[in-house]
Amino acid sequence: DAMVIQNPRYQVTQFGKPVTLSCSQTLNHNVMYWYQQKSSQAPKLLFHYYDKDFNNEADTPDNFQSRRPNTSFCFLDIRSPGLGDAAMYLCATSRAPSGSNEQYFGPGTRLTVT
Amino acid sequence: GQNIDQPTEMTATEGAIVQINCTYQTSGFNGLFWYQQHAGEAPTFLSYNVLDGLEEKGRFSSFLSRSKGYSYLLLKELQMKDSASYLCAVREEDGGSQGNLIFGKGTKLSVKP
Repeated sequence: DAMVIQNPRYQVTQFGKPVTLSCSQTLNHNVMYWYQQKSSQAPKLLFHYYDKDFNNEADTPDNFQSRRPNTSFCFLDIRSPGLGDAAMYLCATSRAPSGSNEQYFGPGTRLTVT
Repeated sequence: GQNIDQPTEMTATEGAIVQINCTYQTSGFNGLFWYQQHAGEAPTFLSYNVLDGLEEKGRFSSFLSRSKGYSYLLLKELQMKDSASYLCAVREEDGGSQGNLIFGKGTKLSVKP
């Protein structure tokens, strides 16, 4: 019954080694989001897709990229992870960024950079 | 600018009532959401307010005052499983990038026996 699925749940990568996190959804929602959350911090929006339209937050580092090949899947690529990129990465979906449409979150991927 | 303030931590006793406050200053307002987040897990949706007043949903209620830029989440008959962080989030506008949610840092609630 999982609606927003993230793989893997835990990811360890080396400093500077590219890594990809994946997210899939069974809700057929139009919008998919990627957040970075560090301990005791608010989730920080990195970017979102509204259908195929990509929207990058102004302060998202160039090191972070995203792909959405179809409605169901979205990927987060970190080209050269630094120690400061260690965090929980949350994927979320929504019907639309409006009204009472809440966001549904996946379980997250905890990224460790060694 | 955007600012959402919540207390960092709160402690309450099992069976009691606790109120978690949230104040916001945003360029626009089009709804306020409360989420529950257990340690190491994803946030889950609790409530949504867009008009002034109280919304009740079982043991949880959420209140909004738009003129004061203020909301609270009220948890009744506290249970140990309510120990979690509670995140307040505001939607500034309807649709587009401004329709995204702005999250507060969350209030970590500890429920003690």
